[in-house]
Amino acid sequence: DSGVTQTPKHLITATGQRVTLRCSPRSGDLSVYWYQQSLDQGLQFLIQYYNGEERAKGNILERFSAQQFPDLHSELNLSSLELGDSALYFCASSVKGESPLHFGNGTRLTVT
Amino acid sequence: DAKTTQPPSMDCAEGRAANLPCNHSTISGNEYVYWYRQIHSQGPQYIIHGLKNNETNEMASLIITEDRKSSTLILPHATLRDTAVYYCIVRVAFYNQGGKLIFGQGTELSVKP
Repeated sequence: DSGVTQTPKHLITATGQRVTLRCSPRSGDLSVYWYQQSLDQGLQFLIQYYNGEERAKGNILERFSAQQFPDLHSELNLSSLELGDSALYFCASSVKGESPLHFGNGTRLTVT
Repeated sequence: DAKTTQPPSMDCAEGRAANLPCNHSTISGNEYVYWYRQIHSQGPQYIIHGLKNNETNEMASLIITEDRKSSTLILPHATLRDTAVYYCIVRVAFYNQGGKLIFGQGTELSVKP
């Protein structure tokens, strides 16, 4: 158990809808990272937050947004969903410096 | 971020050492080498990391060449449960905020009985 909790585990929704994925980082970890893994794209970095502020951005679509709250949990919002958004979404957290990222078990999103 | 090159696949006999190579010839002085693995569709699992010295923990050993342009992850006694995709990643780690990992394609390790 990495200590990173993601909910829900599975999510099935229709095209055009909006969903929210939730991540609770390990206790004490200030940085949260979001990744997308689809069959043909591998693990893609989306965005990083550190102590509530955005720190790094990857290949995140404009239809996607994220935030980190004062209690350090994070949410990833996906809107106007398309079939191609079906993927595993992973959250990771780290404390600081060279300390490694620890990943949750992911949310499997299926868009029908 | 420096890029890494890994063989796409490798086989290893159960009980033998698995040696997974990684080239990172453009690594900068402030970049660390990290190894992760992913089993099926589980979340990536941290294995080990290092800057310039060799490192060992309960899971594996990491050997980094003196010029830091390549490294080898060693699983000393591979088991069937070590079958996974192994990722070698170089990462800039900022003091306060850490830093992202950029995953490549990795090496698919198959441990065979």
